[in-house]
Amino acid sequence: AQSVTQPDIHITVSEGASLELRCNYSYGATPYLFWYVQSPGQGLQLLLKYFSGDTLVQGIKGFEAEFKRSQSSFNLRKPSVHWSDAAEYFCAVANDYKLSFGAGTTVTVRA
Amino acid sequence: DGGITQSPKYLFRKEGQNVTLSCEQNLNHDAMYWYRQDPGQGLRLIYYSQIVNDFQKGDIAEGYSVSREKKESFPLTVTSAQKNPTAFYLCASSATSGSGEQYFGPGTRLTVT
Repeated sequence: AQSVTQPDIHITVSEGASLELRCNYSYGATPYLFWYVQSPGQGLQLLLKYFSGDTLVQGIKGFEAEFKRSQSSFNLRKPSVHWSDAAEYFCAVANDYKLSFGAGTTVTVRA
Repeated sequence: DGGITQSPKYLFRKEGQNVTLSCEQNLNHDAMYWYRQDPGQGLRLIYYSQIVNDFQKGDIAEGYSVSREKKESFPLTVTSAQKNPTAFYLCASSATSGSGEQYFGPGTRLTVT
């Protein structure tokens, strides 16, 4: 069965520094991959998605992610973090209209 | 404004009572989903529906029930059989063609005491 692993439970980063969140997936075919962001007490917002084609995808809020089939990874990056990026981030893989989510990574931004 | 609404935002119930959470969407999506979120566990799928009058159990359906009488609505009932109902509940919808990306509502926090 397909699954997603987010190895980092919590990351702390300084404002203005770069951020990378890791995501590894287990899926036989070419996966549909997603990154979502959740602010405390809110729903999830889609940051970006990968279906096929260019392995570097751009999303909203200045985020990007790179699909690496050889490493079964879909890591999320942002060159310069803003205080408003403090949130929980979820990686997900699609299978037959269902999504399997990772456990999430909480990002804390320090001034 | 297209989107998904969930009501209420906060819900309090006594143990042993059934409670129904509302989810409405105006995105014209065929598929709808209910997830439960607990700290450190990500999102777990409770039920999903790909078409009106049809729905399937997800990974943690025990103690929950749903109905899908209208395309726009997918209410979730948390029954007294659910052993640990206190959680954050999220509703989502998606088109059944394309990539399967899901759009989420703002969530309902249920507290049962």
